[in-house]
Amino acid sequence: DAKTTQPTSMDCAEGRAANLPCNHSTISGNEYVYWYRQIHSQGPQYIIHGLKNNETNEMASLIITEDRKSSTLILPHATLRDTAVYYCIVASGTSYDKVIFGPGTSLSVIP
Amino acid sequence: DVKVTQSSRYLVKRTGEKVFLECVQDMDHENMFWYRQDPGLGLRLIYFSYDVKMKEKGDIPEGYSVSREKKERFSLILESASTNQTSMYLCASTTTSTWAGGYTFGSGTRLTVV
Repeated sequence: DAKTTQPTSMDCAEGRAANLPCNHSTISGNEYVYWYRQIHSQGPQYIIHGLKNNETNEMASLIITEDRKSSTLILPHATLRDTAVYYCIVASGTSYDKVIFGPGTSLSVIP
Repeated sequence: DVKVTQSSRYLVKRTGEKVFLECVQDMDHENMFWYRQDPGLGLRLIYFSYDVKMKEKGDIPEGYSVSREKKERFSLILESASTNQTSMYLCASTTTSTWAGGYTFGSGTRLTVV
């Protein structure tokens, strides 16, 4: 079973911020939170990851709660090209076989 | 940029055929993975490899085998293809120095077994 819980689907208006939540209440101290997205018919693409501090890159921001039991991926100005399935996973550096990609959140950006 | 290249985007094979799916990465990554993706089931790990000639079973290895004779190449083999192996197959790689979640994926091979 996936170690994360995400909403099945979300809509976001073009140009607005998309906030995608993820619950990972059983996360271990050595596990990072990773976010990927998958545009239709392509392989998943890495977006961002973090351990406990908030992170930002050119694609998105990642906000991790202080207790690390949940996180939010923020796409600051969503475009139609951001329509994709977004996966939140938790992973450490030693258990490749335990990395599980669940169903993710299907984000639809609406004009 | 790291590139993970899968040899075919679309493949149609007949039941009982032996099928080879090839994956090549160009960044000297130690670890390579094969997943399959089916609607409603997410990505499921078939096999992975830590190094040349090494392989480990994932969650659903039945009906598949793998080969890693060179560091850059990881092949998935369907010994006798069946219709329930119709799926999207994704290859990924990562370095040992990267946390396990830092994958680079290929574009996928959509295999149809008829």
